[in-house]
Amino acid sequence: AQSVAQPEDQVNVAEGNPLTVKCTYSVSGNPYLFWYVQYPNRGLQFLLKYITGDNLVKGSYGFEAEFNKSQTSFHLKKPSALVSDSALYFCAVRDPNTNAGKSTFGDGTTLTVKP
Amino acid sequence: SAVISQKPSRDICQRGTSLTIQCQVDSQVTMMFWYRQQPGQSLTLIATANQGSEATYESGFVIDKFPISRPNLTFSTLTVSNMSPEDSSIYLCSVVPRGQGGGPNTEAFFGQGTRLTVV
Repeated sequence: AQSVAQPEDQVNVAEGNPLTVKCTYSVSGNPYLFWYVQYPNRGLQFLLKYITGDNLVKGSYGFEAEFNKSQTSFHLKKPSALVSDSALYFCAVRDPNTNAGKSTFGDGTTLTVKP
Repeated sequence: SAVISQKPSRDICQRGTSLTIQCQVDSQVTMMFWYRQQPGQSLTLIATANQGSEATYESGFVIDKFPISRPNLTFSTLTVSNMSPEDSSIYLCSVVPRGQGGGPNTEAFFGQGTRLTVV
């Protein structure tokens, strides 16, 4: 079985400061990992993914994430937060061995960036 | 990539009635999924819609309550049957296009969701 944990319901940062949104996962083999963002009253949008290769992946809007196999983590980061980054962020994991394409989502973290 | 048109975008329904939600994709995809999301909360997978066969339901979801059709590789419907206020939620259609090597190594694409309120 696969699972994802986002330990923080809420993250608050000041504009211009770095931000981190945490994610840990559990899957039987090597995982596929994803971050999605959901703005109010809108659908989910893809930010970035880790499939294989370099542990540091870069995505949309200046976000990046680092895959850490030993800590089973995939934290989302951005060097300098913007007020427009305020949204709900979801981490998701997929087990490639099943080939089913099913994703398991974390509970989400609400990011608030204050001016 | 994939562009998904989902409708209706919202509806208010009487308890005991049924609502059918449609999901149209602009390209052929094998893997299509239906999720439920309470506002501001996580996504819960209802079922995987398979073309040409019965849908595969997750624990806690049954075909009688959430019948699904998948007549071709670009279209699916989810029906919420005999609705009660507990069914009030956002329902999302999602697809995962095949990536390099044919595996599920691409990101998921989502419809805009159907916000259902049962009164």
